[in-house]
Amino acid sequence: EVHLVESGGSWVQPGGSLRLSCAASGLSYSDLWMNWVRQVPGKGLEWVALISKDGGQTKYMDSVKGRFTISRDNARNSVYLQMNSLRVDDTAVYYCAGGWGWLTLYWGQGALVTVSS
Amino acid sequence: EIVLTQSPGTLSLSPGERATLSCRASQSVAKNYLAWFQKKPGQAPRLLIFDASNRASGIPDRFTGSGSGTDFTLTISRLEPEDFAVFYCHQYAVSPLTFGGGTKLDIK
Repeated sequence: EVHLVESGGSWVQPGGSLRLSCAASGLSYSDLWMNWVRQVPGKGLEWVALISKDGGQTKYMDSVKGRFTISRDNARNSVYLQMNSLRVDDTAVYYCAGGWGWLTLYWGQGALVTVSS
Repeated sequence: EIVLTQSPGTLSLSPGERATLSCRASQSVAKNYLAWFQKKPGQAPRLLIFDASNRASGIPDRFTGSGSGTDFTLTISRLEPEDFAVFYCHQYAVSPLTFGGGTKLDIK
């Protein structure tokens, strides 16, 4: 079993930056592909980015390419989402999620990011 | 990008009834890498079904996934009060990974 806890959610002005962290506990974290998935309040789920077990492969949804960067530190059992040039439509609850391959089996409780002037 | 279209948008049923939720993909989902999630307000999504028809650990057998290619179905055989929520299908075969728009299952 893997337990995930997000942190770093906050209010930020448009154009600003924020870094989300996700700490994992439990067995086999370094065997997991990790993702960030978001949910705009009142809307559906939206996949944002994923990173491979060793961090060598990353993928992003089109609207965040060039603005967001996913990374991980397996020594710290952590994954990160650096978000730059934030826009109002990036406002959402951001979930950290992981699994074997691209299937997301384990999920955190989410971190709220609010982008507003 | 694979677009997933879920229907109906809202389904109103009573406990004990059978629920049938549909998910249609804009192109074939390779290896049937299609999952179903249950989402309740304030909670993390919960994986119910993966690879179209495999129940995740701890999921009751009243939840059944079926289908292949472009047409997938989640069936809940006898609704329990705790089943009422929003359900999302999700393909993890190709990037970008995508979710359907959701089906809200509410109590009639």
